[in-house]
Amino acid sequence: SQQGEEDPQALSIQEGENATMNCSYKTSINNLQWYRQNSGRGLVHLILIRSNEREKHSGRLRVTLDTSKKSSSLLITASRAADTASYFCTYNAGSNYKLTFGKGTLLTVNP
Amino acid sequence: DAGVIQSPRHEVTEMGQEVTLRCKPISGHNSLFWYRQTMMRGLELLIYFNNNVPIDDSGMPEDRFSAKMPNASFSTLKIQPSEPRDSAVYFCASSLQGGPTGELFFGEGSRLTVL
Repeated sequence: SQQGEEDPQALSIQEGENATMNCSYKTSINNLQWYRQNSGRGLVHLILIRSNEREKHSGRLRVTLDTSKKSSSLLITASRAADTASYFCTYNAGSNYKLTFGKGTLLTVNP
Repeated sequence: DAGVIQSPRHEVTEMGQEVTLRCKPISGHNSLFWYRQTMMRGLELLIYFNNNVPIDDSGMPEDRFSAKMPNASFSTLKIQPSEPRDSAVYFCASSLQGGPTGELFFGEGSRLTVL
């Protein structure tokens, strides 16, 4: 199962602060992906980082990948109330395209 | 593109009835995934297809569940007979495997309530 484990399970911050959440996995990967889910909606792809990349940016998002520790982190800078959502990681390994998800991190950004 | 389209968006049914959920993936995508989400169990992968062929159905809970993909533009998930513990949000997602990202595109889900 290619299921990342997100940490923490829940995170509550004030608007304008940065939010960091982590993902750990157990095998060699091709790439790792982060998704966001707003309440009651489908998941939305945020960013993909390949195994040969160490850091990637997209707007206010910064993702890092440490393959030696089998971990990734997602940083959201200058958070907004609209960032309130659950965040999930998943990954591709080998030729297996089966993508599974953990429980996610529930981020609450208070106005 | 219209994105992944699921129907119905909401379904309320009584225990024992047959439920059919439908999914239209994004045109050109070659992989399709069915997930189920509940508070207790989180987001579970039920089955996924590649080029219309079921590749892994190990997540299908029991024989009451079946999924088909008769062509590249349509898939169904059927529950017969339904039980209250099947109440959940069912998501369909599609992707282009072998493409540059393999990212999943999710539908808005079908919320099932079994009374």
